[in-house]
Amino acid sequence: GAVVSQHPSRVICKSGTSVKIECRSLDFQATTMFWYRQFPKQSLMLMATSNEGSKATYEQGVEKDKFLINHASLTLSTLTVTSAHPEDSSFYICSALGGAPKNIQYFGAGTRLSVL
Amino acid sequence: AQSVTQPDIHITVSEGASLELRCNYSYGATPYLFWYVQSPGQGLQLLLKYFSGDTLVQGIKGFEAEFKRSQSSFNLRKPSVHWSDAAEYFCAVGSGGGADGLTFGKGTHLIIQP
Repeated sequence: GAVVSQHPSRVICKSGTSVKIECRSLDFQATTMFWYRQFPKQSLMLMATSNEGSKATYEQGVEKDKFLINHASLTLSTLTVTSAHPEDSSFYICSALGGAPKNIQYFGAGTRLSVL
Repeated sequence: AQSVTQPDIHITVSEGASLELRCNYSYGATPYLFWYVQSPGQGLQLLLKYFSGDTLVQGIKGFEAEFKRSQSSFNLRKPSVHWSDAAEYFCAVGSGGGADGLTFGKGTHLIIQP
């Protein structure tokens, strides 16, 4: 149990286009989902926290208009990178709370975004 | 603000040898501490966690960790490593009973020598 699926695993796009990444909890209802960004050889940095049905809370320094987060249901959160630029190229990882045991984040496998 | 330091970027261990990965944290209240392992193409997998109680916690795959408040440490250990343990290991600290976003260390890349 407690499986989180993230899609796509890899995406390449042109500069100026938008990319949507999906994060699904497959066998539990996720009350809260998180989005992290991981630079090469670096740690995961929390970008935002999303709760179903409410606006996401962004960490300081994260542009909410560039990284749009929607958590429309208890099993799905999406991250849209709008007007992507090469500096947005990174590894994006989602996690979800709500499985068992409680207060444990279950992580997706991540999405490698490359902006040309 | 909370922070996590993993002083070792890379560690090389012979198969069958013991392992200790270091983690130091900075947090003002009672920390919620985690160790995750990241393998290529797979999501981070929780090895173990400490919320309260016994300071020596057992995890999956034969790993254990000891919480030492006086040293602000939460080091991960395994008595005998296997080649399949080669991966990236992350220590993380959380708040809000573990329900808030996590602060991760930079990770330790574990290499297993035959």
